[in-house]
Amino acid sequence: DGGITQSPKYLFRKEGQNVTLSCEQNLNHDAMYWYRQDPGQGLRLIYYSQIVNDFQKGDIAEGYSVSREKKESFPLTVTSAQKNPTAFYLCASINPPLYPFFGEGSRLTVL
Amino acid sequence: RKEVEQDPGPFNVPEGATVAFNCTYSNSASQSFFWYRQDCRKEPKLLMSVYSSGNEDGRFTAQLNRASQYISLLIRDSKLSDSATYLCVVNILAPSGGSYIPTFGRGTSLIVHP
Repeated sequence: DGGITQSPKYLFRKEGQNVTLSCEQNLNHDAMYWYRQDPGQGLRLIYYSQIVNDFQKGDIAEGYSVSREKKESFPLTVTSAQKNPTAFYLCASINPPLYPFFGEGSRLTVL
Repeated sequence: RKEVEQDPGPFNVPEGATVAFNCTYSNSASQSFFWYRQDCRKEPKLLMSVYSSGNEDGRFTAQLNRASQYISLLIRDSKLSDSATYLCVVNILAPSGGSYIPTFGRGTSLIVHP
């Protein structure tokens, strides 16, 4: 079955550590997105990629980095420069103008 | 001003009630429109697409008014299982052009009680 796989589902990080969240899709979608959701809030765009080897900053890119070396994969690194990284991270893919399809999310907690 | 605005609620209604959610968007170049449902600590899932002609799926009816840049969702005969957060989603043209960015409202919380 086609879908998006995010891992890990839960992650704990000490302050000052970088962590990488994985996002893999087998839907053959060109565009992929990373969003952050805080409790009681909507989804805010971190980074997006329209094609391989290209990506653009979203509204809250500071402290994050991404790569898009393969169509199927769009990993997100949360760096130590992100001052408040505890959140629910959601990866999505789409072939516009169709609807976005989400992975199950990764919940990051900073200890 | 946020690009997609929703009343956060919560809407607290009895079973069997009819409830309506509204959403406005600011970018007239927006291309496609959706309602998503999000359960607590889960990912958002597509509820239905929204068209200018209106569309219905069982107890759910969605409507788009492009002139007013307004989207609505109507839920009839509410069930306990309808309790969730409902997100309005608009595909907005990317600044670089060539693609669209799904842009979310902050969601409207619905609580259906017995």
